[in-house]
Amino acid sequence: GENVEQHPSTLSVQEGDSAVIKCTYSDSASNYFPWYKQELGKGPQLIIDIRSNVGEKKDQRIAVTLNKTAKHFSLHITETQPEDSAVYFCAASMNNNDMRFGAGTRLTVKP
Amino acid sequence: GAGVSQSPSNKVTEKGKDVELRCDPISGHTALYWYRQSLGQGLEFLIYFQGNSAPDKSGLPSDRFSAERTGGSVSTLTIQRTQQEDSAVYLCASSLSGGRSYEQYFGPGTRLTVT
Repeated sequence: GENVEQHPSTLSVQEGDSAVIKCTYSDSASNYFPWYKQELGKGPQLIIDIRSNVGEKKDQRIAVTLNKTAKHFSLHITETQPEDSAVYFCAASMNNNDMRFGAGTRLTVKP
Repeated sequence: GAGVSQSPSNKVTEKGKDVELRCDPISGHTALYWYRQSLGQGLEFLIYFQGNSAPDKSGLPSDRFSAERTGGSVSTLTIQRTQQEDSAVYLCASSLSGGRSYEQYFGPGTRLTVT
């Protein structure tokens, strides 16, 4: 089955700086890669996703890149703000079946 | 519209007791997932229901765990003879199957504490 590794486990940045979180996956059949943000006491919420037919996707300050050959994908947050502080999870699946999540990255944005 | 709801929000039980956790998915969502999140850890897949198909139970950690989904809607996760290591937040998510969006919508979770 799919195995997803996520790094780093914690990340602290200064407000305005960029943050990058990286994930690798094992199953070359995976074709759907979402990123979820989890705030304290809440369930995870989708912030951006990418499918295997594209290499990059951007939504305002958030972007995701995918390297299918190397089987890794990354989340990039630019101009970070304190409200970006949360736990971020990457995930991989084939057509949303059998979704596997990374262990999470706790991002802290210091004002 | 209403999101995914879970009940109870918190459950404290004694070791050895059985517990039932409930999930109400978004109306019309055919796929339903259960995950376990231990303190400070990632999301551990437990079980996946898709329509009328047999559920994918590959993530259930032991035969003390079971889940059912009645009428293709509400789901119940049952943990029998609870152990302290079962203490965690149990998250339910639902999604539309097929189509262009695979987004999973998560509920707020049930925090289970086994004493």
